[in-house]
Amino acid sequence: DAGVIQSPRHEVTEMGQEVTLRCKPISGHDYLFWYRQTMMRGLELLIYFNNNVPIDDSGMPEDRFSAKMPNASFSTLKIQPSEPRDSAVYFCASSLVPGNTEAFFGQGTRLTVV
Amino acid sequence: GQQVMQIPQYQHVQEGEDFTTYCNSSTTLSNIQWYKQRPGGHPVFLIQLVKSGEVKKQKRLTFQFGEAKKNSSLHITATQTTDVGTYFCAAQGSARQLTFGSGTQLTVLP
Repeated sequence: DAGVIQSPRHEVTEMGQEVTLRCKPISGHDYLFWYRQTMMRGLELLIYFNNNVPIDDSGMPEDRFSAKMPNASFSTLKIQPSEPRDSAVYFCASSLVPGNTEAFFGQGTRLTVV
Repeated sequence: GQQVMQIPQYQHVQEGEDFTTYCNSSTTLSNIQWYKQRPGGHPVFLIQLVKSGEVKKQKRLTFQFGEAKKNSSLHITATQTTDVGTYFCAAQGSARQLTFGSGTQLTVLP
């Protein structure tokens, strides 16, 4: 398996534009997580899915953020409209049983909103 | 959700010196995981501790889980420049989410 795959690796967009981040988890992993990493706030859990169903989205900052997992091999995190304060590295991770097995992280998407 | 506090936030050491980072929780943890993130990289799993008082070693790295399962530590003996990075502890929340500590950023001076 190629591991967790995220795209794009880097994204620069203008304030107000829609941004879509993509993630392909490791095949067979039932859990998928979206994290955001900034210097100020560290590694924050935004949302996670179990068997494609969103379980906990309490970390999603506001309504501008939405996440979907239409099937077991694909998830998106969308920001609409984007703002400069959304600039961060966004990681997707997947695991078999969170907390009992390791989480595998993608390479991350570095988002810059200007 | 589960909250874990991690200290120190930053640590600069001379190559060859030891390094320790600590992770603390106000509640009992079922288990705890440790991850390392190299500069510009992504978090990579190091180890998981499950049992009260458990100690595990990986070469120069020693991981401990407290007797009350509320704290954990990672100790590196004789640091090398390859140890540079941010070390995170992570704990499972009540809803099975994986919550990360704030991390300790280690700088090793040659």
